[in-house]
Amino acid sequence: KAGVTQTPRYLIKTRGQQVTLSCSPISGHRSVSWYQQTPGQGLQFLFEYFSETQRNKGNFPGRFSGRQFSNSRSEMNVSTLELGDSALYLCASSFEGAGEKLFFGSGTQLSVL
Amino acid sequence: QQQVKQSPQSLIVQKGGISIINCAYENTAFDYFPWYQQFPGKGPALLIAIRPDVSEKKEGRFTISFNKSAKQFSLHIMDSQPGDSATYFCAASSYRGSTLGRLYFGRGTQLTVWP
Repeated sequence: KAGVTQTPRYLIKTRGQQVTLSCSPISGHRSVSWYQQTPGQGLQFLFEYFSETQRNKGNFPGRFSGRQFSNSRSEMNVSTLELGDSALYLCASSFEGAGEKLFFGSGTQLSVL
Repeated sequence: QQQVKQSPQSLIVQKGGISIINCAYENTAFDYFPWYQQFPGKGPALLIAIRPDVSEKKEGRFTISFNKSAKQFSLHIMDSQPGDSATYFCAASSYRGSTLGRLYFGRGTQLTVWP
């Protein structure tokens, strides 16, 4: 079985731009969640989608949004980028969600200049 | 507010030794406690997990000890190997309420195993 695929692997943007990150979950997995990883804050939960519905959202500003498609693939969008958005963005998929048995992708490393 | 507190921040162990990483939590609604291992350039990978109805779970060289009354759990790595050198994260989640679908992570422990 193929693992969780995230594209692109690296991304460089400038302040004020917007960015879209993509995640393809493991086949059969219905839940996709997103996490931000930084040296200062560690791993922070962004949101979780289950069968196309956002089931939970972390404490991030409204500039961070996401969606899930009928094939379970997910995208997250960050608008009006700030320097502090530089981070590794990780996508994780699981069959049931609820934070259990998450399989993570290798992430998208976003640098905001 | 850090819902899961992890220590130590870094750990150096001799090959063949025992590595011990500790975590503590506050929310008694948590009912699932996984440990993740992360290598540079990779996402975290699930290592082992436990539920609060058992006090210990062992998988190979990895053991989770769980103390529900103290709200603490720990990871023991027996016979530590250089290939175990990685960052380890404890986490917690709950299958109910406002925290559904959300994993709360500790800040991580950088483990180095010297040959």
